[in-house]
Amino acid sequence: QQQVRQSPQSLTVWEGETAILNCSYEDSTFNYFPWYQQFPGEGPALLISIRSVSDKKEDGRFTIFFNKREKKLSLHITDSQPGDSATYFCAAQGGRALIFGTGTTVSVSP
Amino acid sequence: GPKVLQIPSHQIIDMGQMVTLNCDPVSNHLYFYWYKQILGQQMEFLVNFYNGKVMEKSKLFKDQFSVERPDGSYFTLKIQPTALEDSAVYFCASSFDWGTSAETLYFGSGTRLTVL
Repeated sequence: QQQVRQSPQSLTVWEGETAILNCSYEDSTFNYFPWYQQFPGEGPALLISIRSVSDKKEDGRFTIFFNKREKKLSLHITDSQPGDSATYFCAAQGGRALIFGTGTTVSVSP
Repeated sequence: GPKVLQIPSHQIIDMGQMVTLNCDPVSNHLYFYWYKQILGQQMEFLVNFYNGKVMEKSKLFKDQFSVERPDGSYFTLKIQPTALEDSAVYFCASSFDWGTSAETLYFGSGTRLTVL
């Protein structure tokens, strides 16, 4: 049973465009949602996170939009840069283990 | 930022043998984790560890797996005996806190385990 789902599996955008990554979850006890960025050959690194009491979190070019009722969230990367090319994992936690989604691989073309 | 070191970066082993993966967590962190990733896909939780004990483990944490952190040194994952399906990249992580929605997991670069 997949508790955290992401779409699309892969995404290609031009430099300067906005990339939108989607995430949904099933467990209503989840209340903390970090997004991790992973480059090939490296471990994932925390990019930005949100708690379920908020509906939006912004950090520079990265913004999380959260809809608790629908159990959905999205990560928007504005003004995408080639250096943003990576795999992005949505994760969820509710007092137990941090569960990762299936990942979205983003490619930014110059 | 804080660094988690994993040794070795790549290990090749014959099926049935024992393997130990080593992790040097962030120095003041108290909670330790192992995740498994196959072919750059989903990160799957294996186990977390605190104060010398396993706190939580998933179905993937088979009886052949064990973890320990003797005398505050490396946090290790031991697989004995190994199976072909154990081939994956294993990521160690550590955090200062846990389960409070305020902890951040810091990951190492992974150990790629190949079981022949």
